[in-house]
Amino acid sequence: DAKTTQPTSMDCAEGRAANLPCNHSTISGNEYVYWYRQIHSQGPQYIIHGLKNNETNEMASLIITEDRKSSTLILPHATLRDTAVYYCIVRVVGNYGQNFVFGPGTRLSVLP
Amino acid sequence: EPEVTQTPSHQVTQMGQEVILRCVPISNHLYFYWYRQILGQKVEFLVSFYNNEISEKSEIFDDQFSVERPDGSNFTLKIRSTKLEDSAMYFCAPITQGNTEAFFGQGTRLTVV
Repeated sequence: DAKTTQPTSMDCAEGRAANLPCNHSTISGNEYVYWYRQIHSQGPQYIIHGLKNNETNEMASLIITEDRKSSTLILPHATLRDTAVYYCIVRVVGNYGQNFVFGPGTRLSVLP
Repeated sequence: EPEVTQTPSHQVTQMGQEVILRCVPISNHLYFYWYRQILGQKVEFLVSFYNNEISEKSEIFDDQFSVERPDGSNFTLKIRSTKLEDSAMYFCAPITQGNTEAFFGQGTRLTVV
């Protein structure tokens, strides 16, 4: 079972920041937080991952709380193409045999 | 983002037939995962594969399923005798050496009739 909980759905206005929360209260010290998204029935798309420091790339920012029990994915300027299901996953880095466990995710709808 | 190609993009097969789904690797792909997604449901892990061996498999991955990498070329998932409930999207997700994130292919839509 997934070790994360996320809201079922969220709406965001186009051009505004989308903030997607994730709870992972049982995360272990060697587990990273990964975010993927899935648009329609396409393959899940990697967005970002981090351990404890905040991370930023060209797609998004990841804010992890100091106790690491929760995190927030931020899409700074949401567009209609960001409408997708967003998955928050915790996984041990380096343990390649360990798979990515997908929960139901958050369905983000970006509204015009 | 490393490109991952899966073939075919869509396959229709009759119940009881064997199907082979292919994932075309890049040379430095190290680990491979196969996932499936039944329409409207979660993405589910099937199997992970490294160095020509299965690393981990889920309870979904029963005797009807097999994986191999023949001659170090395409990475394949075989379903020996398909059932109606095998209808799903099947995704290949390799991890390249030195990386930790898996990049998913666009999937094969399998329809069993």
